Amino acid sequence: EADIYQTPRYLVIGTGKKITLECSQTMGHDKMYWYQQDPGMELHLIHYSYGVNSTEKGDLSSESTVSRIRTEHFPLTLESARPSHTSQYLCASSDTPNRTSGSPTPTDTQYFGPGTRLTVL
Amino acid sequence: KNQVEQSPQSLIILEGKNCTLQCNYTVSPFSNLRWYKQDTGRGPVSLTIMTFSENTKSNGRYTATLDADTKQSSLHITASQLSDSASYICVVTDRGSTLGRLYFGRGTQLTVWP
Repeated sequence: EADIYQTPRYLVIGTGKKITLECSQTMGHDKMYWYQQDPGMELHLIHYSYGVNSTEKGDLSSESTVSRIRTEHFPLTLESARPSHTSQYLCASSDTPNRTSGSPTPTDTQYFGPGTRLTVL
Repeated sequence: KNQVEQSPQSLIILEGKNCTLQCNYTVSPFSNLRWYKQDTGRGPVSLTIMTFSENTKSNGRYTATLDADTKQSSLHITASQLSDSASYICVVTDRGSTLGRLYFGRGTQLTVWP
């Protein structure tokens, strides 16, 4: 069981509200990620971070923003929520493996949080 | 275009039966392939991971196979249990990117009936 937490688990809000989805991990992982997932569809990367003060946009365009002030914390913020933001948001973290282990390629497994189901009315 | 395709989209089996899920990918250069299990309303949990030099990996009743030449993988579940009901997602890592970009399939939704 991975030590990565997300709050809230469920959120129903009105259009135009500002929201922050919280994600914390206690494994000391340097990399963290945010994914968006709609029912029956694949996960899409929307933000990632290599470490403190490092954030990048992912493959899927998103109006959300992220910050990485502390290693363990990677919150995602929507300044003005819209119905099109209704989705499941999954946070994940991973660590760069020890490259002296003899493994021919990196195998940094991503550990996922339980997700936040967001509904914007 | 890097893609991961899974089949079938959904599957219903009776408790105790075996099943096999398929994954085809076009991701190149290939780094590794993972199978994740995602329970409804939860985040994915890693079941197996295989690099290009491995062609089979087991985790309890789950056995994954990989054919890097044909770019195919399968996940075989033996003696299914009700708790196996979940979405099974195939994930392929791109070795060519600094991030180790992951490509996700849409998953196979498995339902196990008593």
